[in-house]
Amino acid sequence: DQQVKQNSPSLSVQEGRISILNCDYTNSMFDYFLWYKKYPAEGPTFLISISSIKDKNEDGRFTVFLNKSAKHLSLHIVPSQPGDSAVYFCAASPYSGAGSYQLTFGKGTKLSVIP
Amino acid sequence: DVKVTQSSRYLVKRTGEKVFLECVQDMDHENMFWYRQDPGLGLRLIYFSYDVKMKEKGDIPEGYSVSREKKERFSLILESASTNQTSMYLCASSGPYNEQFFGPGTRLTVL
Repeated sequence: DQQVKQNSPSLSVQEGRISILNCDYTNSMFDYFLWYKKYPAEGPTFLISISSIKDKNEDGRFTVFLNKSAKHLSLHIVPSQPGDSAVYFCAASPYSGAGSYQLTFGKGTKLSVIP
Repeated sequence: DVKVTQSSRYLVKRTGEKVFLECVQDMDHENMFWYRQDPGLGLRLIYFSYDVKMKEKGDIPEGYSVSREKKERFSLILESASTNQTSMYLCASSGPYNEQFFGPGTRLTVL
């Protein structure tokens, strides 16, 4: 049973436009969420995170939105650049307490930014 | 900067061989993890360790074992490699916060 779902395996966006990557979760114990970016033949790198006390977190071109009632989060990249082409993984965990050091990952969304 | 290193970037082994994948982190992190990544399946947790000599099974531990004799080093062992263990293996570590730092990965091919 997938507790973190990324329903779009792939997404193509024109350079300069907005990329929106979506993630849904089912476990109500999750209250900390992270996005990772992965290039081929490299390990994932941390991009941005958000805790459940917030509904938005911004870092440069990257913004993560959290809708707790819908158990949904999204990553916005504005403007999209060709170097953003990668696989993006959504991950979740309890912020503290039992299991807080384990991350549950989605299956990833491959973003292609077209020049 | 946190650095997580893995012993090999690419490895080719034969069916039935014993395979050791090593991971070293330099940030004195308590927690270390081994994942495998396969197309369409995302990152799946094999084993993790929250302290020296401690280990916990992840989602797919079958066919694997681990060893953590020192805090900075976490080894993944394939006792008898099989073709369905051909994959990208990723090691990660984390400290007091939830963010995990990943190594560059080992692409293992079992023939």
